Amino acid sequence: GDSVTQMEGPVTLSEEAFLTINCTYTATGYPSLFWYVQYPGEGLQLLLKATKADDKGSNKGFEATYRKETTSFHLEKGSVQVSDSAVYFCALNRDDKIIFGKGTRLHILP
Amino acid sequence: DTAVSQTPKYLVTQMGNDKSIKCEQNLGHDTMYWYKQDSKKFLKIMFSYNNKELIINETVPNRFSPKSPDKAHLNLHINSLELGDSAVYFCASSQVAGTGFSSNTIYFGEGSWLTVV
Repeated sequence: GDSVTQMEGPVTLSEEAFLTINCTYTATGYPSLFWYVQYPGEGLQLLLKATKADDKGSNKGFEATYRKETTSFHLEKGSVQVSDSAVYFCALNRDDKIIFGKGTRLHILP
Repeated sequence: DTAVSQTPKYLVTQMGNDKSIKCEQNLGHDTMYWYKQDSKKFLKIMFSYNNKELIINETVPNRFSPKSPDKAHLNLHINSLELGDSAVYFCASSQVAGTGFSSNTIYFGEGSWLTVV
C-alpha cells in the first residue's frame, strides 16, 4: 500500500543553520505530496505542497521539490529560526485519505 | 474566523465515562475527517464523511461513533472511555476529490486533547 517514510527525529540545530528533513514515499502512480507543520500545542497547518513531478513547493522560507526518480520530497530551509521549532509531517493524499509519515521533531537552539 | 473549529480543546475524564467532541467547518467542504494522534505524534485516520455519508471507517473500536448532522459538522462520541483513548483528536475537512490521488489540501482543527484517568 501507499506509505510515507521520513527521517526519525529529533533534529536539533542552531539558529541560522541549514535544514534538511528527508521524506520518501511509496505509491502506485504519482501522488500529490504535502508537508504539514505542528507547532507546540497547536493543530496541523499546511506548510507547502507539490502536485506533480519537478514541482517545487515553497512557503515561509521552506522548500521541497517533488523528485519522481527518487520518490522523494525533502524539506529544506536555508537558515532556520527558533520559531521553526515544531513537528513536521510529510504526507500524500489518496482517495481523500491523507497518509502521514511519523513526523520529525525539530528543535532550534538560539 | 476559524476554518475548522473543534470543542472542547482540553478534556479530562474518568474511565468508563461517555464524552463527545464537536467539530464544525465553515469552508463549504464536502468531506470531513477525524484523526487520532498518539503520544508519539503518529497520526492515523479514524473516519471520513462525505456530505454526511460515512466513507472511511478504519479499524476503530465501536465505542467510537461519529455523527454528521450536516456536511458542516462532524461530531465524535466515545462510550466507555479507556486509558488508551488518551490522545489528541483532530477534526479536518477538504473538498472531495473522489478516488485516486488528490491535490486537495486537508484543513485541520486545533485538536482536542483527551486525557482519561
